[in-house]
Amino acid sequence: DQQVKQNSPSLSVQEGRISILNCDYTNSMFDYFLWYKKYPAEGPTFLISISSIKDKNEDGRFTVFLNKSAKHLSLHIVPSQPGDSAVYFCAARELSGGGADGLTFGKGTHLIIQP
Amino acid sequence: ETGVTQSPTHLIKTRGQQVTLRCSSQSGHNTVSWYQQALGQGPQFIFQYYREEENGRGNFPPRFSGLQFPNYSSELNVNALELDDSALYLCASSFRDGANVLTFGAGSRLTVL
Repeated sequence: DQQVKQNSPSLSVQEGRISILNCDYTNSMFDYFLWYKKYPAEGPTFLISISSIKDKNEDGRFTVFLNKSAKHLSLHIVPSQPGDSAVYFCAARELSGGGADGLTFGKGTHLIIQP
Repeated sequence: ETGVTQSPTHLIKTRGQQVTLRCSSQSGHNTVSWYQQALGQGPQFIFQYYREEENGRGNFPPRFSGLQFPNYSSELNVNALELDDSALYLCASSFRDGANVLTFGAGSRLTVL
């Protein structure tokens, strides 16, 4: 039973346009959400996070939106650049547990930025 | 500031053997966790160590065990290897605080034949 779902295995976007990556979750105990980016042969790198007390967090070209009632979050990248081509993982945790239960990851979305 | 380093990068074992994977945490981090990433899947939490003790575990059997050393480096041991243990094993370190954002290594690719 997947608690974090990324239903789009891949997404192709033209350079300069907006990339929107989606993530759904089922566990209502999740209260902290993160996005990681992974290049081939490298480990995932932290991109941006959001607490459940917020509905938006912005960092430069990256914005994460959280809709708690729909148990849905999305990552917006504007404008998309060739270096953004990577696999993006959505992850969630129960912050109240002190993080000892680890992160629960989705399967990832492969973002391809086309010139 | 050095990042998280893992060794070996690749290894091949046969079913029933035992394997030890190693990890050096990022400087300043005191918590280490291990994840298994099977092909086409996201990373799956194995366990976490803090102050040299396991303080969280995912849905993995006891043949997956670990150690954290005083210098915050860590080992993952897997006994009685099975074919399904073939995966990328990721080590991540963090500083234990509210956010506990993880810094990952590049992983160790294990193939079980």
